[in-house]
Amino acid sequence: LAKTTQPISMDSYEGQEVNITCSHNNIATNDYITWYQQFPSQGPRFIIQGYKTKVTNEVASLFIPADRKSSTLSLPRVSLSDTAVYYCLVGDFYTGGFKTIFGAGTRLFVKA
Amino acid sequence: EPEVTQTPSHQVTQMGQEVILRCVPISNHLYFYWYRQILGQKVEFLVSFYNNEISEKSEIFDDQFSVERPDGSNFTLKIRSTKLEDSAMYFCASTDVSYGTSVREQYFGPGTRLTVT
Repeated sequence: LAKTTQPISMDSYEGQEVNITCSHNNIATNDYITWYQQFPSQGPRFIIQGYKTKVTNEVASLFIPADRKSSTLSLPRVSLSDTAVYYCLVGDFYTGGFKTIFGAGTRLFVKA
Repeated sequence: EPEVTQTPSHQVTQMGQEVILRCVPISNHLYFYWYRQILGQKVEFLVSFYNNEISEKSEIFDDQFSVERPDGSNFTLKIRSTKLEDSAMYFCASTDVSYGTSVREQYFGPGTRLTVT
């Protein structure tokens, strides 16, 4: 499984765009990149998943360069409620039953 | 929106006792998982389960742990003889891997907080 590296923490202010970058140098051909969000005392919640280029949904955008050795989660106009831990995961999720490895994640703190 | 449910929300047990944590995955999902998260630490994979057997397990998932799908809806995690270090939040998750599903996301339950005294 590809190892991921993310910043331990980030601070932002309400209304700003936040970009969290994850490095995954050993990503394999069949691997997808998935981001989860976790609030205290809650289970992780899926944000977005992608394989290459750019993916956008109602919550975030995911930018993946051509070499796929990194990815950037972009949260537009964050609010206080976006304060959470964000996890980047890499794996061949389409085979199912995969051994999902969460890293330490990035603690995002949004200030007023 | 369908959701994964877990019971109980909090379980207190004495060291050496057996506990069973229960989960009801989303009904049409086929892959099921258990994770644990010790307070203040990262989420740790325990086991994945498909077609009534374990697909993958971590080094944490030793002989003290077992999983079962006793009927068509429940998915359980049993810890045979709890230790103090088993105190953690335990999360169940499920995934729809049916053909044509474009996104493989895991849906997590709200967790069971296990406290071993």
